[in-house]
Amino acid sequence: NAGVTQTPKFQVLKTGQSMTLQCAQDMNHEYMSWYRQDPGMGLRLIHYSVGAGITDQGEVPNGYNVSRSTTEDFPLRLLSAAPSQTSVYFCASSYFADQPQHFGDGTRLSIL
Amino acid sequence: KNQVEQSPQSLIILEGKNCTLQCNYTVSPFSNLRWYKQDTGRGPVSLTIMTFSENTKSNGRYTATLDADTKQSSLHITASQLSDSASYICVVSDSGGGADGLTFGKGTHLIIQP
Repeated sequence: NAGVTQTPKFQVLKTGQSMTLQCAQDMNHEYMSWYRQDPGMGLRLIHYSVGAGITDQGEVPNGYNVSRSTTEDFPLRLLSAAPSQTSVYFCASSYFADQPQHFGDGTRLSIL
Repeated sequence: KNQVEQSPQSLIILEGKNCTLQCNYTVSPFSNLRWYKQDTGRGPVSLTIMTFSENTKSNGRYTATLDADTKQSSLHITASQLSDSASYICVVSDSGGGADGLTFGKGTHLIIQP
């Protein structure tokens, strides 16, 4: 039982490059979210989805896009990487909205 | 604005000792409160979830308490082990229940020394 799988685990980008962070879950969860975690700050919500074909913005959505074409996958796209996007990114999922989330182990992203 | 404050920011204790972590919140309306454990380099893992009517909930050596009147929660760790070294995150959900209704604390960094 893999749970929530995030790839890659580490990535270094140059300013202006684009990339996609992958997130997949095998628990048939409807609710999926992307967070970023920065030193000295709590987890901040970037985008979330309540089911296939439905996405919405969180607290810090600028510079990121998401899509949800299947229940299992919820990729996060950085359109034009900036140094301010250096962070650890976590994907999370849950079956019901008001239920503890299962988190992946994160993608550590550095923008030079 | 909804807020979750955790204290202390960091804590060092000897193996075998007990400790208590605090969480104060101003989230309204309130649905539930969650405690997560985050090991270094890993994602958070759920320890407990408590609703308005629950005062105490245990998960092994972890015991969470909730006082919804004073909007305070605590996480008590009994007979600490080296594997308890981690960050502990308090999360409060408003009545909406979705991801956009979650307020995360900054966490308490706990170090257990042998």
